[in-house]
Amino acid sequence: RKEVEQDPGPFNVPEGATVAFNCTYSNSASQSFFWYRQDCRKEPKLLMSVYSSGNEDGRFTAQLNRASQYISLLIRDSKLSDSATYLCAVHSSASKIIFGSGTRLSIRP
Amino acid sequence: DVKVTQSSRYLVKRTGEKVFLECVQDMDHENMFWYRQDPGLGLRLIYFSYDVKMKEKGDIPEGYSVSREKKERFSLILESASTNQTSMYLCASKAGTTTDTQYFGPGTRLTVL
Repeated sequence: RKEVEQDPGPFNVPEGATVAFNCTYSNSASQSFFWYRQDCRKEPKLLMSVYSSGNEDGRFTAQLNRASQYISLLIRDSKLSDSATYLCAVHSSASKIIFGSGTRLSIRP
Repeated sequence: DVKVTQSSRYLVKRTGEKVFLECVQDMDHENMFWYRQDPGLGLRLIYFSYDVKMKEKGDIPEGYSVSREKKERFSLILESASTNQTSMYLCASKAGTTTDTQYFGPGTRLTVL
């Protein structure tokens, strides 16, 4: 079993829809969690950190469920510009970071 | 703003050549990483370094070595390039705590013929 798993998608949703992705992790000692966004042929860039209490940044909401060992990303009112691959990252230590293989999202007009 | 730069965006080499990929960061970060990214496999960690002259193997170190002589620079070396090392190589750096995020360089797309 992979340490960090994501549904690869693709998710193909209409503009304005709400879409959610999950990412599961196997190491219960994992300490911090992040969502990255990666556009085609570009490097990953941090989208948001994921806190235990959940956090929101505009149309984006991230949640952590330690009991079930998953993190989630919710995108409301999706825009064409949200089309990208979304990677989750799990830090089990300051140096050891595991990425999921990414979920591809495509927003159609 | 953190800046991570990589020496080349595109590189074409022949089988058996020795290949150097350079990465430089300007934020005095302790940790630096080399990943390769392939379709369907995501980001896979090759090596990382948590201090000058320190290195640790990641998940797929075979066929690679690294060098970190200065804090800002982390080099990935392919001793004898092979076609299965054709990939996108991404360097990243990060400060020392678990809550700090990684910052990535723009990537080097290496093709080995």
